[in-house]
Amino acid sequence: GAGVSQSPSNKVTEKGKDVELRCDPISGHTALYWYRQSLGQGLEFLIYFQGNSAPDKSGLPSDRFSAERTGGSVSTLTIQRTQQEDSAVYLCASSWDNQNYGYTFGSGTRLTVV
Amino acid sequence: AQSVTQLGSHVSVSEGALVLLRCNYSSSVPPYLFWYVQYPNQGLQLLLKYTSAATLVKGINGFEAEFKKSETSFHLTKPSAHMSDAAEYFCAVSDAKLENQGGKLIFGQGTELSVKP
Repeated sequence: GAGVSQSPSNKVTEKGKDVELRCDPISGHTALYWYRQSLGQGLEFLIYFQGNSAPDKSGLPSDRFSAERTGGSVSTLTIQRTQQEDSAVYLCASSWDNQNYGYTFGSGTRLTVV
Repeated sequence: AQSVTQLGSHVSVSEGALVLLRCNYSSSVPPYLFWYVQYPNQGLQLLLKYTSAATLVKGINGFEAEFKKSETSFHLTKPSAHMSDAAEYFCAVSDAKLENQGGKLIFGQGTELSVKP
């Protein structure tokens, strides 16, 4: 598609439930990133997929968080047993493996855990 | 490890005045630097980027930034603020080691710009 698409745009879930957030990157982009944006915390890196390489998971805050990227395209971020502190906007971005082209962000999924 | 510091979490200017948003970086390799803007309830939009070409980079909406290696800075400026410039601005550095590589972005804490009429 023309841009990075994220779904759902808003998600309200009960504490303890699992949630899945989806990201459709720009077609052909080799790299995909997940970030979390919460009040007072800025933009926090979560995970980075680059081509066929093992993902960089160094930003995942706990083992309740996981992500996969199927077929080098769509990615799903899963949060198990959600907690109130997981409430945030989750942003996805994609890029070529070249710094000259920048990174394109989706509009994000606003997750609210009640 | 790369890092970015944005000086000032809030900046307020009058319409028509100069906009200056400060960003200092730390990087062990030649840095790849970016400025993004985020309007309320929207994603991040790329304003401009520095990738080792000209040190003065021009971006969208009349913004520009100058890479100064001696000062490890990449400040964002606009000569004349417009009401529509009110948004949050993020400076970021990539951890890529080479220009033809990918790498994750490390963001500063953001600066919220207010524009007074």
